[in-house]
Amino acid sequence: LAKTTQPISMDSYEGQEVNITCSHNNIATNDYITWYQQFPSQGPRFIIQGYKTKVTNEVASLFIPADRKSSTLSLPRVSLSDTAVYYCLVGDPRYNQGGKLIFGQGTELSVKP
Amino acid sequence: DSGVTQTPKHLITATGQRVTLRCSPRSGDLSVYWYQQSLDQGLQFLIQYYNGEERAKGNILERFSAQQFPDLHSELNLSSLELGDSALYFCASSPGESSYNSPLHFGNGTRLTVT
Repeated sequence: LAKTTQPISMDSYEGQEVNITCSHNNIATNDYITWYQQFPSQGPRFIIQGYKTKVTNEVASLFIPADRKSSTLSLPRVSLSDTAVYYCLVGDPRYNQGGKLIFGQGTELSVKP
Repeated sequence: DSGVTQTPKHLITATGQRVTLRCSPRSGDLSVYWYQQSLDQGLQFLIQYYNGEERAKGNILERFSAQQFPDLHSELNLSSLELGDSALYFCASSPGESSYNSPLHFGNGTRLTVT
């Protein structure tokens, strides 16, 4: 049962801004939204986390509308090294105990020169 | 560098055998998580330990077991190995018991090949 819905793949070019949207209709009140990045044969790496409105760090921005049923990861001016799989994760309201964390299929971003 | 160390990096073994994968969490992290990643299944949560105690179970087979030791390192034991167990096995750690509000830090995995 999918907890989040993301595009399976996206293509972009160097220097462009990339926005990856994630749908999470069943997000619970206390849940946070977290994005991870994974390169081939490496473990996922934390990118950004937020609860509402906008969060920005040195790598990305995360936009969360008021209803929190979706979120958008924004990568400014991507480079070839941003080619990776991006996962959106939220808490599962049915499993609030034990810290289960469910990774969906992720979005495979391909950045071209 | 995430601070999470996994050994060995690669493991090749035969069907029916037993292997042990080891994970050292980031300094100060009390939770350890194990994940399996195969091409057809994606990243699957197996089990979580917090300060030595099992906290959550995911899609972990009965042939697999894990434990977390007093020094907080963890081991994942895989027995009666089958070809389908070939995958990347990741360990992750976090400071607290719940991962929802605390980012996970992943190691670079152990690639298991069962022949």
